[in-house]
Amino acid sequence: SAVISQKPSRDICQRGTSLTIQCQVDSQVTMMFWYRQQPGQSLTLIATANQGSEATYESGFVIDKFPISRPNLTFSTLTVSNLSPEDSSIYLCSVWVRDTATDTQYFGPGTRLTVL
Amino acid sequence: QKEVEQNSGPLSVPEGAIASLNCTYSDRGSQSFFWYRQYSGKSPELIMFIYSNGDKEDGRFTAQLNKASQYVSLLIRDSQPSDSATYLCASPTGNTPLVFGKGTRLSVIA
Repeated sequence: SAVISQKPSRDICQRGTSLTIQCQVDSQVTMMFWYRQQPGQSLTLIATANQGSEATYESGFVIDKFPISRPNLTFSTLTVSNLSPEDSSIYLCSVWVRDTATDTQYFGPGTRLTVL
Repeated sequence: QKEVEQNSGPLSVPEGAIASLNCTYSDRGSQSFFWYRQYSGKSPELIMFIYSNGDKEDGRFTAQLNKASQYVSLLIRDSQPSDSATYLCASPTGNTPLVFGKGTRLSVIA
């Protein structure tokens, strides 16, 4: 398994500002992912962040709005830029880990963002 | 386009009953399936995964997979009020991250 921490756990931000979310894993992992979960909804993948390469964004998500850094195999950041109330969501960091039988995906505790 | 479909519920069962949660998927290439439980305000936690046809049991939980019908289910025996949560079905394709269904909200009534 993997232990994943995120900072901050929650924040309230003003419209037009930016928030950077940090994700730290207790072991080296190749693939890290960022998801968004809007109120009452399921998880939507924002991007895949692999160390040493540009992040790969899903349809509907762009680098200018969600820049991602992946400086090493245990850490990543997601920035949500030019915030609007529609960005109010929970943002989750996730990693693939090789367990005994299969690869398994684990999640951090999430960052709850409220935009006023 | 990979899709995982779930009935959003809510599904209400009395305490001690069997809760049955269902999921269908569109990608015949999907090889493995994961069930996550998510309590309100918390992040998803893995309950179990399955990648072979048939049943897989872990305590009170049984996952069932039928690849021919593209159907996967989760049974919870002896349901407890603490099982009340949203249950998410998910599947990757190849090395891609998990695609999640919308989740089924389960309510176990004491």
